Amino acid sequence: EPEVTQTPSHQVTQMGQEVILRCVPISNHLYFYWYRQILGQKVEFLVSFYNNEISEKSEIFDDQFSVERPDGSNFTLKIRSTKLEDSAMYFCASTPGIRDTQYFGPGTRLTVL
Amino acid sequence: EDQVTQSPEALRLQEGESSSLNCSYTVSGLRGLFWYRQDPGKGPEFLFTLYSAGEEKEKERLKATLTKKESFLHITAPKPEDSATYLCAVQASSNTGKLIFGQGTTLQVKP
Repeated sequence: EPEVTQTPSHQVTQMGQEVILRCVPISNHLYFYWYRQILGQKVEFLVSFYNNEISEKSEIFDDQFSVERPDGSNFTLKIRSTKLEDSAMYFCASTPGIRDTQYFGPGTRLTVL
Repeated sequence: EDQVTQSPEALRLQEGESSSLNCSYTVSGLRGLFWYRQDPGKGPEFLFTLYSAGEEKEKERLKATLTKKESFLHITAPKPEDSATYLCAVQASSNTGKLIFGQGTTLQVKP
């Protein structure tokens, strides 16, 4: 059964460093999302991506964040200058249609020291 | 503002003791309501999608129902392997597909 994959599973970085989180969505899906979950808190929407452009972003998704689909299979989230409060689980999700089920990856645990 | 509230926050059941989890929502036009299961340190795993009031979906010991203001996840004769956090999320018809999640209900089923 196709699944969303994410790498790395755990990333440790120093404050101020850049990180890139990678996702491989399910192959025939068209809509892509990033969410994050701070320990003990709700899953929060970050950004949605369709047709090679951002379709919606949350207040969390400021100028330090960017997304890219560089090669038609990978979907990346970049944080330019990490802050302590960026420590969280980051989930990628994909879906074939805007109304369809979103399938989530296993997540990347980002720890900022 | 679109919002989802789940109750209770935590629920402990004995194996075989049936119960229900609640998800109350306010949204500007519901496109869909989604239930996910999340194990510790893992990503949300899809369970059900409900689109309109009165709709019901079933899978093994789980049954999800939907009204205009809330959804219930009924667990019949739970087993220890049903222990997990159950997440409810809504999608508004006006947006680009983003899901708005509740806090979740953490279920523990004791043998």
